Amino acid sequence: GAGVSQTPSNKVTEKGKYVELRCDPISGHTALYWYRQSLGQGPEFLIYFQGTGAADDSGLPNDRFFAVRPEGSVSTLKIQRTERGDSAVYLCASSLFSGGDTQYFGPGTRLTVL
Amino acid sequence: EDQVTQSPEALRLQEGESSSLNCSYTVSGLRGLFWYRQDPGKGPEFLFTLYSAGEEKEKERLKATLTKKESFLHITAPKPEDSATYLCAVQADGGSQGNLIFGKGTKLSVKP
Repeated sequence: GAGVSQTPSNKVTEKGKYVELRCDPISGHTALYWYRQSLGQGPEFLIYFQGTGAADDSGLPNDRFFAVRPEGSVSTLKIQRTERGDSAVYLCASSLFSGGDTQYFGPGTRLTVL
Repeated sequence: EDQVTQSPEALRLQEGESSSLNCSYTVSGLRGLFWYRQDPGKGPEFLFTLYSAGEEKEKERLKATLTKKESFLHITAPKPEDSATYLCAVQADGGSQGNLIFGKGTKLSVKP
């Protein structure tokens, strides 16, 4: 079956621009997660959705970052006024349920802010 | 503060040379410990979930074990295709039900 998919695989933008990153979870998975991974580091949690609502957004670094999951399936991570420090790989994961259930990751979107 | 520390940062083995990777964790309460494999340019690939001390899981040449303070990933007779970064993550009991806390990983290289 299909795994988690993310688009685009690579995104290059200029400082100050707006970007959207998309995640398609595994069909039937109710929980969806966004992480950010810098070179040589483990993934860092950003936000977690249970269904359509954000259950925990404590990892979002500031108000330039926002994510939605309007129909409880596909999610979009939105970054306004991008900064060079936002450059990283953005990973999406999904799980059947939450609370200790295994999270399955997508291939990631590599964001480069020039 | 909940945290995960992995050691060593990098490990070079000859094909067939068995070894272990360590993951030490500090959490208020452990909901689950997860091992992932990550190849360059790819997302983490799930290997194992462990929930309680004493639990062990095996898959091919890999075996994961768990105590109250740490987990080990044992690699028996590794092959070059086992070369990757191995990530350990924990989910804490008291906080968010979604947040995985990752270590920095151990980069394993297996030479033929």
